[in-house]
Amino acid sequence: SQELEQSPQSLIVQEGKNLTINCTSSKTLYGLYWYKQKYGEGLIFLMMLQKGGEEKSHEKITAKLDEKKQQSSLHITASQPSHAGIYLCGADTNSNTGKLIFGQGTTLQVKP
Amino acid sequence: DADVTQTPRNRITKTGKRIMLECSQTKGHDRMYWYRQDPGLGLQLIYYSFDVKDINKGEISDGYSVSRQAQAKFSLSLESAIPNQTALYFCATSPGTGWRNEQFFGPGTRLTVL
Repeated sequence: SQELEQSPQSLIVQEGKNLTINCTSSKTLYGLYWYKQKYGEGLIFLMMLQKGGEEKSHEKITAKLDEKKQQSSLHITASQPSHAGIYLCGADTNSNTGKLIFGQGTTLQVKP
Repeated sequence: DADVTQTPRNRITKTGKRIMLECSQTKGHDRMYWYRQDPGLGLQLIYYSFDVKDINKGEISDGYSVSRQAQAKFSLSLESAIPNQTALYFCATSPGTGWRNEQFFGPGTRLTVL
């Protein structure tokens, strides 16, 4: 089983709708990183969360790390076709080893 | 210009062939990583290096080897390619300063082993 579980695995939304992607770990997250990947391309770093309860926003994307530091959510407000792609969470679950583990990704389609 | 580059971008090879994938970076980061991505499995770590003299195996190093020729260059070799090594391969770098471990990825190499 995956150490880092993302849900849902895929999502289709109508343009303009809000959506949320979750990333859950059974271990404490020392750092949580969100990435976006367009099909067949490299991963683009979106944002990093480290403190329990932390929330960051970039344009219409907001990411939160829960107080227990075991779950993060990525929320997109008023989705646009440009938001389509694969969203991956990566995490350091072992106290600054310099290695990240990744969730399996969530594929997002936005219908115009 | 891209900060992390990978060559080739696409490669088709035959079973048993030796193949090398190259990664170069201009970010000045000490830490470099090689991953493979398979549909539905996310990213799996193959090898990583924290400096030129430091090479470490990741989760799935069998069948692969690496060389860290300089701070900016990290190559991945498949000694004798097999079809289940068909995947998308990514190189990544990280500054590794303090508690910040965000990684920056290259565009990927799509490898097909026939």
